Amino acid sequence: NAGVTQTPKFQVLKTGQSMTLQCAQDMNHEYMSWYRQDPGMGLRLIHYSVGAGITDQGEVPNGYNVSRSTTEDFPLRLLSAAPSQTSVYFCASSYDNPRTLLDGYTFGSGTRLTVV
Amino acid sequence: GQQVMQIPQYQHVQEGEDFTTYCNSSTTLSNIQWYKQRPGGHPVFLIQLVKSGEVKKQKRLTFQFGEAKKNSSLHITATQTTDVGTYFCAGPNTGGFKTIFGAGTRLFVKA
Repeated sequence: NAGVTQTPKFQVLKTGQSMTLQCAQDMNHEYMSWYRQDPGMGLRLIHYSVGAGITDQGEVPNGYNVSRSTTEDFPLRLLSAAPSQTSVYFCASSYDNPRTLLDGYTFGSGTRLTVV
Repeated sequence: GQQVMQIPQYQHVQEGEDFTTYCNSSTTLSNIQWYKQRPGGHPVFLIQLVKSGEVKKQKRLTFQFGEAKKNSSLHITATQTTDVGTYFCAGPNTGGFKTIFGAGTRLFVKA
């Protein structure tokens, strides 16, 4: 049982490049989400999914796309990287949605992205 | 929009001193969660509170949920160097499908 696996752990991109951050979980969790963490700003929700085939926007969705073709995978795509997207990105999953959540989220180890 | 605020932003303590962080939501929460993130690590779930006025303990950590379900606190008794890190509170938004995190309180413990 690996939990939530994120790849890559580190990435440097040039402005305008695109890339996909991978997130996979093996716990059969229905709910998955992406957060970005910036100093002094806590964790801000980018996109979330309540199940395969269903995604929705969080607080800061601009510049990012997601898809959920399977229960296990929830990739985050940066369409055209900008320096403002330099951040640490965390994927998190849970059995339930936030209102009925019982055991909290399981977080991946994060991807540290730098856009130059 | 809905906000979850935490104070203080930073706290420096001497090992053995107590520590408290406070969390306040702009709206009533159906539940509140607490997470700990060690430096360079990822958030790890500590506990969830659901009932008004609920108090839960985990060894030296005491968690409280306010009567109005809009505020919460985490108290650590006799801090140790292993307690260093950032403590986050989080709760669902009004619609129930998004979790909003506070900005966190970073704890420094001097041996």
